[in-house]
Amino acid sequence: DQQVKQNSPSLSVQEGRISILNCDYTNSMFDYFLWYKKYPAEGPTFLISISSIKDKNEDGRFTVFLNKSAKHLSLHIVPSQPGDSAVYFCAATPSGANSKLTFGKGITLSVRP
Amino acid sequence: DSGVTQTPKHLITATGQRVTLRCSPRSGDLSVYWYQQSLDQGLQFLIQYYNGEERAKGNILERFSAQQFPDLHSELNLSSLELGDSALYFCASSKRTGAGELFFGEGSRLTVL
Repeated sequence: DQQVKQNSPSLSVQEGRISILNCDYTNSMFDYFLWYKKYPAEGPTFLISISSIKDKNEDGRFTVFLNKSAKHLSLHIVPSQPGDSAVYFCAATPSGANSKLTFGKGITLSVRP
Repeated sequence: DSGVTQTPKHLITATGQRVTLRCSPRSGDLSVYWYQQSLDQGLQFLIQYYNGEERAKGNILERFSAQQFPDLHSELNLSSLELGDSALYFCASSKRTGAGELFFGEGSRLTVL
């Protein structure tokens, strides 16, 4: 049972345009959400996070939006750059000790020059 | 460089064999997590240790075991290997027990022939 779903396996956008990566979750206990980026032959690296008490968090070109009622979050990258081409994983966790991150399958983003 | 070191980077072995994957966490991090990434799958949580004690268990097979040593490094032991065990195995570390931002190693790619 996939508790974190990234239904689109890939996304291709033009350099300079907006990239929107979507993620849905089913577990109501999740209250902290993270995005990780992964380049080939490297481990995932943390990108941005959001707590359930917020509906938006921004860090430079990256903004994460959370819609708790819809159990949906999205990552916006503006403007997209070729160096953003990577696999993006959405992850979620309940709060509290001993909680673990549950990851989606990832979305491969390709930014065309 | 996340500061998390995993060895070996690549490993090829035969069915029925046993292998050990090693992870050194970032300096100061007490929690170690193991994740498995199979083809077209997201990161599947296997097990977590905190300061030498097992804290959370995920979809880890009985043929797999792990431990965290007093110097905080961790080992993941995979035995009676099957073709389906071929995957990328990631280790991640964090300071706390509750999952938040994790720092991932580059992974160990296991190929079972």
